[in-house]
Amino acid sequence: QVQLQQSGPGLVKPSQTLSLTCAISGASVSGNNIAWNWIRQSPSRGLEWLGRTYYRSKWYNDYAASVKSRIVIKPDTSKNQFSLQLNSVTPDDTAVYYCTRTTTLGTSSVFDVWGQGTVVTVSS
Amino acid sequence: QSVLTQPPSVSGAPGQRVTISCTGNSSNIGAGYDVHWYQHLPGSAPKLLIYVTNNRPSGVPDRFSGSRSGTSASLAIAGLQAEDEADYYCQSYDSRLSEFFVFGTGTKVTV
Repeated sequence: QVQLQQSGPGLVKPSQTLSLTCAISGASVSGNNIAWNWIRQSPSRGLEWLGRTYYRSKWYNDYAASVKSRIVIKPDTSKNQFSLQLNSVTPDDTAVYYCTRTTTLGTSSVFDVWGQGTVVTVSS
Repeated sequence: QSVLTQPPSVSGAPGQRVTISCTGNSSNIGAGYDVHWYQHLPGSAPKLLIYVTNNRPSGVPDRFSGSRSGTSASLAIAGLQAEDEADYYCQSYDSRLSEFFVFGTGTKVTV
């Protein structure tokens, strides 16, 4: 059974960097036909996909246009985990952040495994 | 704001059937892109409920079913139970936004 365990601070100051880590058990971060994502949820934005990393002979990343200029998602194969860095945060980045896995079911990628969620507040 | 619109809330008595709509346009559902549904119980992470219109992952009761027509999709819950009280989200792809994943606005189901 695949499980994702999130860690990271719940409070970040404006203009600083939000950093979260997602430890994977029961699967490999380098696995084929899967990808590792970050999603956030807030009252103003609802559920918002932020980006993903995945391995297909080499590492790839895709990011949402809304955060593309300030987001980095990185795999760590030595620890079988991946991380989120979101730079220059503002109070609008306050949300519950989830790490998730996408896998292919039928003809689509679906979010089939989710982390427990981390409440992140951006405030001084 | 999301390109997939859902009613903010629906309610029903135990045992009743409720449906949740997910309305898109010609660049997402109307273009034939797959639609999936997620259930978000209070205090838990979202859970995949229905994938590719009307397929249930292992463990999801057959009381949950999905359908689509034109630029919309729907989730039906038959035989409503107290444990079904949750938020429900549709999800698809939008070619105009070039976002890999777009979610609906979410619907709160009250039993």
